Amino acid sequence: EAGVTQFPSHSVIEKGQTVTLRCDPISGHDNLYWYRRVMGKEIKFLLHFVKESKQDESGMPNNRFLAERTGGTYSTLKVQPAELEDSGVYFCASSQSTPGRGDAFFGQGTRLTVV
Amino acid sequence: GESVGLHLPTLSVQEGDNSIINCAYSNSASDYFIWYKQESGKGPQFIIDIRSNMDKRQGQRVTVLLNKTVKHLSLQIAATQPGDSAVYFCAETAMWYGSWGKLQFGAGTQVVVTP
Repeated sequence: EAGVTQFPSHSVIEKGQTVTLRCDPISGHDNLYWYRRVMGKEIKFLLHFVKESKQDESGMPNNRFLAERTGGTYSTLKVQPAELEDSGVYFCASSQSTPGRGDAFFGQGTRLTVV
Repeated sequence: GESVGLHLPTLSVQEGDNSIINCAYSNSASDYFIWYKQESGKGPQFIIDIRSNMDKRQGQRVTVLLNKTVKHLSLQIAATQPGDSAVYFCAETAMWYGSWGKLQFGAGTQVVVTP
């Protein structure tokens, strides 16, 4: 079974440009999360989808970030316009809706570098 | 604010010895805790979890201890191997509207295994 996959693995863009990150969760996982880790800091929550609905977007830093999950399958995270402080590693994770387990399976991450 | 943090940023351990990684948390509402391992270029990988109604759980070569009185979590790795070299994160979460909510991560501890 395929794990969580993210595209691209690495992106280098100039300040002011737009970048779209994609996440394909594990098939059947209703929960999809976006996290990011900026240099030297801990992994921070961005938002949580349950199927196609945004359950919690309290971690989104500002309105330059837009996440979508049309159809409840894959998700995209768009940064427009990108700023230098957006550089970091963006992780996607997915989990089942089983109350007994809360662990999320993570993708390998997208390393975003804004120059 | 409430946060999850780690006491030691780097832990050096000799191959074959036991490792202990510590984590402090302050959110009393958290009822589920997870340890993740992250190797270079990869996303966090689930190691072991524990519910708040338990104080100890064992896996293969790993044991997680939870002390709710002092809000402390630890991960013990027995007979540490070179493949255990990685960054280890503790994370906490709680049930949120019937589903597992966002994970709150600690800063991470770099474990370096020396021969």
